[in-house]
Amino acid sequence: AQSVAQPEDQVNVAEGNPLTVKCTYSVSGNPYLFWYVQYPNRGLQFLLKYITGDNLVKGSYGFEAEFNKSQTSFHLKKPSALVSDSALYFCAVSAPGGYQKVTFGIGTKLQVIP
Amino acid sequence: DTEVTQTPKHLVMGMTNKKSLKCEQHMGHRAMYWYKQKAKKPPELMFVYSYEKLSINESVPSRFSPECPNSSLLNLHLHALQPEDSALYLCASSLKRVAGDSYNEQFFGPGTRLTVL
Repeated sequence: AQSVAQPEDQVNVAEGNPLTVKCTYSVSGNPYLFWYVQYPNRGLQFLLKYITGDNLVKGSYGFEAEFNKSQTSFHLKKPSALVSDSALYFCAVSAPGGYQKVTFGIGTKLQVIP
Repeated sequence: DTEVTQTPKHLVMGMTNKKSLKCEQHMGHRAMYWYKQKAKKPPELMFVYSYEKLSINESVPSRFSPECPNSSLLNLHLHALQPEDSALYLCASSLKRVAGDSYNEQFFGPGTRLTVL
């Protein structure tokens, strides 16, 4: 079975400061890892993914994430937070195989304080 | 066109009603999904269609009936729902070229906010 843990319900950061949203995963074999963002009353938007190759993945809106196999982590980062980054962030994992099933974490609410 | 559209945006129905949710995409994606999302919770997978065939049913009650009439459309038929079925229903799609490629990101619609009275 595959699973994702997002240990923080909420992360508060001052505007202009770097932000990190944490994610750890568990899956059999090599993981496919994703970050999605959800604004209130909206669907999820894809930010970035790791499939293979370079451990540092760059995505939309200046976000990046680092894949760490030994720590089974895939933390989301941004060098300088914007108030408009305030939203709910979901980490997700899937595994190679015949199915399109993605497992989402419980989400982390990011609050950027002006 | 890189958009997934869902209609209606809001739906209020009684427990004896029959209604349908609709989802459409024109990105050539061959995998389509229905999710249910409760407030402050992650999306819960309900169904996956792959090449217009149902490939995953996550033990969803039969009062939810999915349908994929063609590669662009996905419906969710609702009948005899319960108040606890009130939630945001999300449709998503992803590119699926060969069997086994679960590395493609999903594109989500804005959702249908369903209230069951």
